[in-house]
Amino acid sequence: QVQLVQSGAEVMKPGSSVKVSCKASGGTFNYYTFTWVRQAPGQGLEWMGGIIPIFGAANYAQKFQGRVTITTDESTSTAYMELSSLRSEDTALYYCARGDMLTAPFFDYWGQGTLVTVSS
Amino acid sequence: QSVLTQPPSVSGAPGQRVTISCTGSSSNIGAGYDVHWYQQLPGTAPKLLIYSNINRPSGVPDRFSGSKSGTSASLAITGLQAGDEADYFCQSYDSSLSGSVFGTGTKVTVL
Repeated sequence: QVQLVQSGAEVMKPGSSVKVSCKASGGTFNYYTFTWVRQAPGQGLEWMGGIIPIFGAANYAQKFQGRVTITTDESTSTAYMELSSLRSEDTALYYCARGDMLTAPFFDYWGQGTLVTVSS
Repeated sequence: QSVLTQPPSVSGAPGQRVTISCTGSSSNIGAGYDVHWYQQLPGTAPKLLIYSNINRPSGVPDRFSGSKSGTSASLAITGLQAGDEADYFCQSYDSSLSGSVFGTGTKVTVL
């Protein structure tokens, strides 16, 4: 069965960068969309961006353009999300999820979430 | 600020039917993009509940159903159970934003 296992919780200083990993197992890595969704405490889901490994180019939400970088390592079936210039408002649970390659993909498998806390 | 609007909360007694609306616009649902629904139980990751407007993944009870019309979509839960207490989110694609979008979320309470 497909599993997405994310890296552990992080505590970061304002202005720094964080890189979260998401290792996939149990499925074909290259032919799906790997997307990142965040959820601030008590808030809803926010799409940050996604990437299809076989194509390589990532697509980012306008809100995060210039601050987020999503990459993949096909050799280890791992997706990464790096967020820079962190501020307190970036404190959230960050999820990776797998989707199909459609224009409006649905996300059928989710990681367990990685808590990123931004605090001085 | 999400482009897909949901009611903040809905409630119902056990066994009743509740519906959750997801209102979009001509650049997302109204443009013909599929709508998907997720259930998020407290302290857990979202779980796919309905995909491509009306389809249930394997293992999702048929008490959950989806529909779409015009610029809106709906999720219906029949035979409401205590275990259905969760947050529910719709999701689609927006051509103006060139990316996926989630609804504002709805908390379902079983009275």
